[in-house]
Amino acid sequence: EAQVTQNPRYLITVTGKKLTVTCSQNMNHEYMSWYRQDPGLGLRQIYYSMNVEVTDKGDVPEGYKVSRKEKRNFPLILESPSPNQTSLYFCASSLRSSPLTYNEQFFGPGTRLTVL
Amino acid sequence: AQTVTQSQPEMSVQEAETVTLSCTYDTSESDYYLFWYKQPPSRQMILVIRQEAYKQQNATENRFSVNFQKAAKSFSLKISDSQLGDAAMYFCAYRGTTSGTYKYIFGTGTRLKVLA
Repeated sequence: EAQVTQNPRYLITVTGKKLTVTCSQNMNHEYMSWYRQDPGLGLRQIYYSMNVEVTDKGDVPEGYKVSRKEKRNFPLILESPSPNQTSLYFCASSLRSSPLTYNEQFFGPGTRLTVL
Repeated sequence: AQTVTQSQPEMSVQEAETVTLSCTYDTSESDYYLFWYKQPPSRQMILVIRQEAYKQQNATENRFSVNFQKAAKSFSLKISDSQLGDAAMYFCAYRGTTSGTYKYIFGTGTRLKVLA
């Protein structure tokens, strides 16, 4: 089954304890992206990757790191989590899009992160 | 910078009736994509409909249609014959086409309640 998977689905942690949220897709997609969703703010893009070893900042990259060493994986790293990073996180992927073509984004199920 | 605005935090509609969700955006680009996503209580993000800015014809998907007014930078979603399963959070989103940038900008969402 074609899908985007995220792990863990739920995580409660404490301030300063490094964590990684994994994202994996089995559709051979070039494009992958991370979003956070907060009440009243909608979804905001954190980082995106056009292909292996190619990443770029979205609108809210502060406090996050990403890497794209393999095509299928795009982990989100919080080196020193803080309470303001408590949020619902989504990973998404799609086939590569050129400026005037579009391929649908497929979203993972979300990861609920609480930082105490 | 591009922005997406959804001014209706919450809407209600009677089952079988029609409802329109509003979205406005701001951009200096001439070519771009606009989307409506549905997020039911399961939190899964589901693409409802997509509109390419270069197409004058409004997109339609079964009971869902859009009213795309490029000059006014308006992109509303009309849901006809509303069903209980339409109850969800709806997000309007924008993706530009400037070469090398594939950022997505989401609105803050409109929660739709469907009354039996």
